[in-house]
Amino acid sequence: AQTVTQSQPEMSVQEAETVTLSCTYDTSESDYYLFWYKQPPSRQMILVIRQEAYKQQNATENRFSVNFQKAAKSFSLKISDSQLGDAAMYFCAYMDNYGQNFVFGPGTRLSVLP
Amino acid sequence: KAGVTQTPRYLIKTRGQQVTLSCSPISGHRSVSWYQQTPGQGLQFLFEYFSETQRNKGNFPGRFSGRQFSNSRSEMNVSTLELGDSALYLCASSRWAMNTEAFFGQGTRLTVV
Repeated sequence: AQTVTQSQPEMSVQEAETVTLSCTYDTSESDYYLFWYKQPPSRQMILVIRQEAYKQQNATENRFSVNFQKAAKSFSLKISDSQLGDAAMYFCAYMDNYGQNFVFGPGTRLSVLP
Repeated sequence: KAGVTQTPRYLIKTRGQQVTLSCSPISGHRSVSWYQQTPGQGLQFLFEYFSETQRNKGNFPGRFSGRQFSNSRSEMNVSTLELGDSALYLCASSRWAMNTEAFFGQGTRLTVV
């Protein structure tokens, strides 16, 4: 079964600085999707960024970018120029190519210090 | 356009009772997925409905069931509630069955006492 691991339960970053959240996963599939979701105190899960495994180019969305290392099964999220509104729980997630097996990691709580 | 709407936002039930949660997807979205979030188990996939048919089911007992109506609204039912069912229940909608572009609601916080 696929598993997703986030080894950092909590992280903190100074406002305007850069932080990297780690995620590793385990799968025997060659095609799949990886996601980073943000869950602020409002509880609503918000999609931050998505990566298709067949694409070698790392996905970026404004201040958010990923470092996708397929061979190492690693999918880290880099947040540049951190803002107070970035404070939230961040979940790494895996989905297989058939839209099944949507598996989430345990989450990393990010605090942004003014 | 309106986002995913879950009702109610909060619910308190007694052990042994049953509960029904509702999820209205974004207009035009035909897939609705349900998730359970607890501090101990994290986020776990319950099931997905697409065009009124259950497409996927997670590893939950038969007490957890769902359905989807012709307008794509979905309901989730939990029968014979247990204390361990206390959780945040999230639903997500997407236009197609593969929910790589899923939009989540704010969840229903269920407390079983």
